[in-house]
Amino acid sequence: DIQMAQSPSSLSAFVGDRVTITCRASQGISNYLAWYQQKPGKVPELLIYSASTLQSGVPSRFSGSGSGTDFTLTISSLQPEDVATYYCQKYNTAPRTFGQGTKVEIK
Amino acid sequence: EVQLVESGGGLVKPGGSLRLSCAASGFTFSNYRMNWVRQAPGKGLEWVSSIKTSTICIYYADSVKGRFTISRDNANSSLYLQMNSLRAEDTAVYYCARSPGTSSDCSWNAFDIWGQGTMVTVSS
Repeated sequence: DIQMAQSPSSLSAFVGDRVTITCRASQGISNYLAWYQQKPGKVPELLIYSASTLQSGVPSRFSGSGSGTDFTLTISSLQPEDVATYYCQKYNTAPRTFGQGTKVEIK
Repeated sequence: EVQLVESGGGLVKPGGSLRLSCAASGFTFSNYRMNWVRQAPGKGLEWVSSIKTSTICIYYADSVKGRFTISRDNANSSLYLQMNSLRAEDTAVYYCARSPGTSSDCSWNAFDIWGQGTMVTVSS
């Protein structure tokens, strides 16, 4: 099975900072990669699919890139409402594995 | 409004069974692949199972294979998860989530709508 590894597991940054989270697949998955945001106590929400396509309604400060095995989620200017745990997921074939998550906090 | 509402969670003893339901509304249920995802307390997301139709493109995580059965009733816009031989490690919030897709093959898309979840606790 393909494993998904996220880094870092947590980070703390200032409001306005550029934040980058990486996700690495143990084998190539083309661009079948999604990013989800889960705010504390809330349900996960889809941010990005097909590695770089922003889900409708998601602020443009979020962006995704990558293909094959290496992927990146970038928040161009961190906002207080972005405090959350972010998960990557490979979704085209089973098992539809999630990364272990990256917790983002404000300094 | 597009909505998924889970029900059926609760406290069950190890070895027991539980059936979760997910009621869909606001969209044409039969046009979507459906999924179950769980989250143990304080832990990350774990994919559990996916279903395209009642007979094809049905998948399970190794951790639940042989114990859980996913099914759907398109006439009633409902998704189910029958959970047998439950273990303490099955304790989690269980979410149903939909995946867009109308192709005839077993390809899948990201999970674009999630329910609010239902808590399952396995404990003696």
